[in-house]
Amino acid sequence: QAVVTQEPSLTVSPGGTVTLTCGSSTGAVSSGHYPYWFQQKPGQAPRTLIYDISNKHSWTPARFSGSLLGGKAALTLSGAQPEDEAEYYCLLSYSGTRVFGTGTKVTVL
Amino acid sequence: EVQLVESGGNLVQPGGSLRLSCAASGFSFSSYAMNWVRQAPGEGLEWVSAISGRGGITYYADSVKGRFTISRDDSKNTLYLQMNSLKAEDTAVYYCGRALDGLATAATYSGQGTLVTVSS
Repeated sequence: QAVVTQEPSLTVSPGGTVTLTCGSSTGAVSSGHYPYWFQQKPGQAPRTLIYDISNKHSWTPARFSGSLLGGKAALTLSGAQPEDEAEYYCLLSYSGTRVFGTGTKVTVL
Repeated sequence: EVQLVESGGNLVQPGGSLRLSCAASGFSFSSYAMNWVRQAPGEGLEWVSAISGRGGITYYADSVKGRFTISRDDSKNTLYLQMNSLKAEDTAVYYCGRALDGLATAATYSGQGTLVTVSS
């Protein structure tokens, strides 16, 4: 089974910009991995933010965007708000089965 | 409004069995693929299994293959996860999810979860 790697933690200032990345042990992440991004706050269920690289859910704030960057999937938060402090997980597809990333704890400070 | 309500979580002994259910409403259930993910206490998310709309295709994580079975009853708008030969490492909150369409294996909507504890 593939291993999907994310930064363990990142800190961003209020109003600042931060980019989270998602890499695969099998090589470069491509559109064929159909990357998803989830946000999870303590005690809550995960919530889908981004699907299929860059598509936003109806509830996804405009300050979140998804892309492919340097062989990885990326989630960029532009104009961070205190309520964006959370754990973020990417999810990649491997011929139908899926593997979550290790998660990134984002602190807004 | 899409609603997903999991049930069936409980305390079970190692080697035992349990069936989780996910009652769906607010959408045409049979048209959408569904899935399960789990989260062990203090740990990250783990994708478990998915089933296509109308149930023709199923997928499993290596960690549960041969022990867990995903199924659906479109007449009852309900998703199931039959879990056999349970191990301590299966202890987790289990979330069901609805996919974007009839084939996707990831969730765009998730329920609130049900807790499974495997312990003697």
